[in-house]
Amino acid sequence: AQSVAQPEDQVNVAEGNPLTVKCTYSVSGNPYLFWYVQYPNRGLQFLLKYITGDNLVKGSYGFEAEFNKSQTSFHLKKPSALVSDSALYFCAVRDGGTDKLIFGTGTRLQVFP
Amino acid sequence: GAVVSQHPSWVICKSGTSVKIECRSLDFQATTMFWYRQFPKQSLMLMATSNEGSKATYEQGVEKDKFLINHASLTLSTLTVTSAHPEDSSFYICSATGTGNSNQPQHFGDGTRLSIL
Repeated sequence: AQSVAQPEDQVNVAEGNPLTVKCTYSVSGNPYLFWYVQYPNRGLQFLLKYITGDNLVKGSYGFEAEFNKSQTSFHLKKPSALVSDSALYFCAVRDGGTDKLIFGTGTRLQVFP
Repeated sequence: GAVVSQHPSWVICKSGTSVKIECRSLDFQATTMFWYRQFPKQSLMLMATSNEGSKATYEQGVEKDKFLINHASLTLSTLTVTSAHPEDSSFYICSATGTGNSNQPQHFGDGTRLSIL
């Protein structure tokens, strides 16, 4: 069965520093991976996806993610964090031949000024 | 592009009443819509998948008679919580994908916070 794991419940980083939010996956077949962000009392906003191609995927708001097949990881990164990046981040994998998404447990990012 | 509108954003009602939540794709045709439930500080739990013009497919453990889903057009799906009780209080979120490439991301509404008194 497909699954994703987000090992950190919370990540704290100072504004201006680089940030990484970790995600590992377990799939049979090719992985289709996504990152979403959720602000309080809001739905999820799509950040980026990996389907095929370059391992480094660039997305919205300056975020990027690196697909690493050998480590089965898809970590979200940003070179310089902003206070406004503080939110809940979800990694997700598409479930096999369906359009369903399987979400990780989420990582709360807190960027301190 | 790819905007999904969900209405209402907040609803408070008495136990025993039914509540309808609407999910609309504003600028694309949504062949598939998904309904999620999110508990505080938890991830999203998929409740059901609906395809336009056909019956919804419910996830295991979700009561189909309790959570009625209708996807009558390519731009509208509704979730009706029937005879709601306090334990149904939650944050409900819909998402939609369009026609064509199945690797498109899901686009989410802003959610509906349901409180049953």
